Amino acid sequence: SQKIEQNSEALNIQEGKTATLTCNYTNYSPAYLQWYRQDPGRGPVFLLLIRENEKEKRKERLKVTFDTTLKQSLFHITASQPADSATYLCAPLGSSASKIIFGSGTRLSIRP
Amino acid sequence: NAGVTQTPKFQVLKTGQSMTLQCAQDMNHNSMYWYRQDPGMGLRLIYYSASEGTTDKGEVPNGYNVSRLNKREFSLRLESAAPSQTSVYFCASSEELTQPQHFGDGTRLSIL
Repeated sequence: SQKIEQNSEALNIQEGKTATLTCNYTNYSPAYLQWYRQDPGRGPVFLLLIRENEKEKRKERLKVTFDTTLKQSLFHITASQPADSATYLCAPLGSSASKIIFGSGTRLSIRP
Repeated sequence: NAGVTQTPKFQVLKTGQSMTLQCAQDMNHNSMYWYRQDPGMGLRLIYYSASEGTTDKGEVPNGYNVSRLNKREFSLRLESAAPSQTSVYFCASSEELTQPQHFGDGTRLSIL
């Protein structure tokens, strides 16, 4: 069955450093991969979408890579700030799939 | 600029009671979704509606029914609530199925 794995442990990063979150998937060939941010008590908020023919996508301090050979996406936050502390969810999606599968998320904490 | 609105925000039910969760979006989106989120399990898709007039099962549809009342509204019904349905329920919408989703802030449901 399709499986999505994200860093199971929380990630603690010093402010100003780059945070790198991992999303691995198996038994799946997604055409797109989305990343969302979720704050406690709130719904997820869309951040970035990357297509299978794109190796890398950037938005301000965020960068996402998509390696279809390794079946992996990396999500980077450069110059991290305490306000970046949240849970980050990855969500691969097939080109004809009508369903999106979410990973269980990685909790990121940025300490001042 | 409401986006996706869910009601109620909190609810406590007794086993066997019925309940309808309401969701409305004001972005003229075609697709709508219902998820549940449990600790450590991420978001799991219950039902979705690709467009007005259609609904389809997601990963965990048992015990639930949905109605796409019109383009704006998508409701989720629990006919006979069970303690296993205690969860946080999120509604989301997107322009089309493969597009980024916009989420409401959830309904926290406890079944005693």
